Amino acid sequence: GAVVSQHPSRVICKSGTSVKIECRSLDFQATTMFWYRQFPKQSLMLMATSNEGSKATYEQGVEKDKFLINHASLTLSTLTVTSAHPEDSSFYICSAREKGVFDTEAFFGQGTRLTVV
Amino acid sequence: LAKTTQPISMDSYEGQEVNITCSHNNIATNDYITWYQQFPSQGPRFIIQGYKTKVTNEVASLFIPADRKSSTLSLPRVSLSDTAVYYCLVGHGGATNKLIFGTGTLLAVQP
Repeated sequence: GAVVSQHPSRVICKSGTSVKIECRSLDFQATTMFWYRQFPKQSLMLMATSNEGSKATYEQGVEKDKFLINHASLTLSTLTVTSAHPEDSSFYICSAREKGVFDTEAFFGQGTRLTVV
Repeated sequence: LAKTTQPISMDSYEGQEVNITCSHNNIATNDYITWYQQFPSQGPRFIIQGYKTKVTNEVASLFIPADRKSSTLSLPRVSLSDTAVYYCLVGHGGATNKLIFGTGTLLAVQP
């Protein structure tokens, strides 16, 4: 089946630095990818929709200047957490559906655990 | 986007059949119902998807009544490894359609 891969799976960074998380669709093309954040014992919260070749669409309350999204190709979207702070520590998950295929399920990456110290 | 309501948690024992019901009173005509499973520190994994009546695959069955305002995920003979959070989502299947997660149901399977 289709695979979505995230890298890195875990990252620890110092407060004030930036961290980039990659999301790749390995065997299909995706014009749209989605980024979620999940805090412990909570559900996934949609942060933004990444659109290939255009600007991302952010959900209400998500700072677009803090969470930079780039979707430069049909198989890669990146999320950069800028000037990270401890409260940004969370589990970040991306997902994608195959371009041009209707009614298919969304595929999720394995997630990235970000710890800001 | 349709909102879903599920029980927060359920308990079961190994070998039992587990049925998790989800309410989605505002489901739209072109919405599908999809269930995902999530283990700790992993991304959600697709279980099953349906539009109406009954769908069955190798891991689960999905029952959808005629009014489609609810659905039931049925897991036959659960094992300890089925302990996870199960999410019910509704939405149309377009590639650009975003999925909004509800609270999910934490299923705890005991020996």
